[in-house]
Amino acid sequence: DGGITQSPKYLFRKEGQNVTLSCEQNLNHDAMYWYRQDPGQGLRLIYYSQIVNDFQKGDIAEGYSVSREKKESFPLTVTSAQKNPTAFYLCATQATRNTGELFFGEGSRLTVL
Amino acid sequence: AQRVTQPEKLLSVFKGAPVELKCNYSYSGSPELFWYVQYSRQRLQLLLRHISRESIKGFTADLNKGETSFHLKKPFAQEEDSAMYYCALETSYDKVIFGPGTSLSVIP
Repeated sequence: DGGITQSPKYLFRKEGQNVTLSCEQNLNHDAMYWYRQDPGQGLRLIYYSQIVNDFQKGDIAEGYSVSREKKESFPLTVTSAQKNPTAFYLCATQATRNTGELFFGEGSRLTVL
Repeated sequence: AQRVTQPEKLLSVFKGAPVELKCNYSYSGSPELFWYVQYSRQRLQLLLRHISRESIKGFTADLNKGETSFHLKKPFAQEEDSAMYYCALETSYDKVIFGPGTSLSVIP
């Protein structure tokens, strides 16, 4: 089954630990996005990348980091600096710039204990 | 600053009744507007985009630049329309931002 794969689906971590969420795609899409989904707040943009080796901060980038070394992969690291990391994280891809449609993964739920 | 607002968190309508989900945006450039839908236990997916001017599953949305609105409408709601609906804006810098979402419940 092709598409977008996010892993792990569920993740628990202790306060003070960094954690990396994986997002892999085999759609050959150029653009990739990370969103955080909280009840009542919708999707908030963390980081996005239009091409390999380039990425931009979204609206809530503080406490997060990303890399885009390969077209297929856009991992998100939630660092210990993120004050409220418990959330549902969604990865999305877009075929080319300004074509509109985003394709979403199933999401990863991070819980900080 | 770019922003998308959806004033209703929850919306309940009876089956067969008209439904309108409101979306307003703020953006100084030329916007690309979309509606995404998330059905229970499914991935978020595109419902429609303003540039296509199409009707999907009976839903339509018209971009009103004067009122900076992109409301989603359907004349006769169906039970299978019950879902979470998100309005989204893509800027000229390829940034895609979403509103807080409206949960639509269609009562049989």
